[in-house]
Amino acid sequence: EPEVTQTPSHQVTQMGQEVILRCVPISNHLYFYWYRQILGQKVEFLVSFYNNEISEKSEIFDDQFSVERPDGSNFTLKIRSTKLEDSAMYFCASISHWNSPLHFGNGTRLTVT
Amino acid sequence: LAKTTQPISMDSYEGQEVNITCSHNNIATNDYITWYQQFPSQGPRFIIQGYKTKVTNEVASLFIPADRKSSTLSLPRVSLSDTAVYYCLPTRDDKIIFGKGTRLHILP
Repeated sequence: EPEVTQTPSHQVTQMGQEVILRCVPISNHLYFYWYRQILGQKVEFLVSFYNNEISEKSEIFDDQFSVERPDGSNFTLKIRSTKLEDSAMYFCASISHWNSPLHFGNGTRLTVT
Repeated sequence: LAKTTQPISMDSYEGQEVNITCSHNNIATNDYITWYQQFPSQGPRFIIQGYKTKVTNEVASLFIPADRKSSTLSLPRVSLSDTAVYYCLPTRDDKIIFGKGTRLHILP
């Protein structure tokens, strides 16, 4: 069964550094999402992306964050200047069409020191 | 966006049937109801989806009454490996929001 893949599985960075989290969604999927989950808390929506542009974003997704689909297969989340509170699991997800279930990757654990 | 309410936690024993109910009073006409399961340090995993009445697959059943203001996930004969967090979500548009879910703990 095709799956969403995320790299790296774990990223450690220093406060103030830029990080790029990478995702390869399922190949025929058209809608892409990033979520984050701080340890012990709920899964939080960050952003949705369709047709090469952001469809929706949450209040968490401020100017520090950006997303890109640079080459038709990868979907990236960039955090420009990381803060301690950005430490979390970041999940990428994709769907093939409206109302279809989300397919999640295994996540990237980001640790900001 | 439809808001959902689920029990925060539930305990059950191996071999029992577990029913988790979610209320979504302001669900929109075009919303489907989708349930996900999440284990620690993993992404949520799709379990089942429905619009109304009953849907069954190899792992669960989903009951949605005619008014669609609630839904019930039924897990037959649970095992220890069903210990996880379960989320119900209305799904329709770009902003698919997870609630706090139900933490299900299966005891031996």
